Amino acid sequence: DAKTTQPPSMDCAEGRAANLPCNHSTISGNEYVYWYRQIHSQGPQYIIHGLKNNETNEMASLIITEDRKSSTLILPHATLRDTAVYYCIVPKGSWGKLQFGAGTQVVVTP
Amino acid sequence: EAGVAQSPRYKIIEKRQSVAFWCNPISGHATLYWYQQILGQGPKLLIQFQNNGVVDDSQLPKDRFSAERLKGVDSTLKIQPAKLEDSAVYLCASSLVPGGAGSGNTIYFGEGSWLTVV
Repeated sequence: DAKTTQPPSMDCAEGRAANLPCNHSTISGNEYVYWYRQIHSQGPQYIIHGLKNNETNEMASLIITEDRKSSTLILPHATLRDTAVYYCIVPKGSWGKLQFGAGTQVVVTP
Repeated sequence: EAGVAQSPRYKIIEKRQSVAFWCNPISGHATLYWYQQILGQGPKLLIQFQNNGVVDDSQLPKDRFSAERLKGVDSTLKIQPAKLEDSAVYLCASSLVPGGAGSGNTIYFGEGSWLTVV
């Protein structure tokens, strides 16, 4: 899988936007960028994925740079329930696996 | 829509005993995955099924782990005999269409089965 680099931790104030960066400089042209999160004691939760264009859903927005070497996950109005480990994953090839790294521990504070 | 169902939620066994975990994927999902997550680490793929066939089991410790999906719907993961290092959360996941995550599939996870081997 294309290697991804994320900061180990981030703090965010409740109600503010949380911007989570991910570097994937070795990504190939047909590889997707996925974001999952894992709240303590729960299974990973799908957030969003994209290929080239920016994507938005009810949970978050995904901004992918034009050269596709990095992306940012945006949680528009962070709540305490958004405290979790966030994983940026780039599976390799159409049969690529979701390989989870260390992720970013996001703590939302009141 | 019902999510991925797993049972049991928690299990404590002694080393060298056996244990089985059950997973029922989201209705109609062709692809089923089993992951292992050791405390403090990200999940690691153990095995991937496409309907009732194995697509990838390269990370499955086959001397003690086995998995089946006989009718292409629910699946069972078995560990026999268990070792202390098997203490982990076992996560089941499923996706609707054939292919891996790299084809743009959305993969949904269950809540996991927590195993403690003492």
